[in-house]
Amino acid sequence: QKEVEQNSGPLSVPEGAIASLNCTYSDRGSQSFFWYRQYSGKSPELIMSIYSNGDKEDGRFTAQLNKASQYVSLLIRDSQPSDSATYLCAPKVHDYKLSFGAGTTVTVRA
Amino acid sequence: GAVVSQHPSRVICKSGTSVKIECRSLDFQATTMFWYRQFPKKSLMLMATSNEGSKATYEQGVEKDKFLINHASLTLSTLTVTSAHPEDSSFYICSARAGTGVMGNQPQHFGDGTRLSIL
Repeated sequence: QKEVEQNSGPLSVPEGAIASLNCTYSDRGSQSFFWYRQYSGKSPELIMSIYSNGDKEDGRFTAQLNKASQYVSLLIRDSQPSDSATYLCAPKVHDYKLSFGAGTTVTVRA
Repeated sequence: GAVVSQHPSRVICKSGTSVKIECRSLDFQATTMFWYRQFPKKSLMLMATSNEGSKATYEQGVEKDKFLINHASLTLSTLTVTSAHPEDSSFYICSARAGTGVMGNQPQHFGDGTRLSIL
């Protein structure tokens, strides 16, 4: 079992729609969770962090965490073509390391 | 805030050359820095964890004599790829995090990466 599982996609959504990205993780000890966005050929960029169960909203992004189910998700509302990228789910594991999923590629169609 | 600078952004060199990559935290003190490599369409693979003033901790399968890491100050870590060969060609990315804080929640902030091509 992989430490972090994400659907690789591509996830194609029309402009203005909601993109829903899912992530499951295996380390029950993880307490901090991060979502990074990576454009092709670029390095990852932090977009959201979440530490408590429930929802956390930041602009058009909403992260959801359910530690009992070992599940974290990211919603992108009003998707824009500039949101087209690969989204990496990264729970913090021991020694401050992050465990990265393979990423979900999102394509927003204009 | 939380800007990480990585230099150079691209290197093309001959086989057998050693290449040094610098990673600097510009506006915060980085207790810990991390070095990753990424192959096309693959996820990030952690190579090593670097703490200021101590030896780096390498992940399993990463040759420490091949990938030399020095974390000389709270704002600078370097990765040297020694005697590089074509199979070392990859995208190398550093990240840095500040302090420990409550439950160590500080995220990692990434540099822009270095694309290394060995001919």
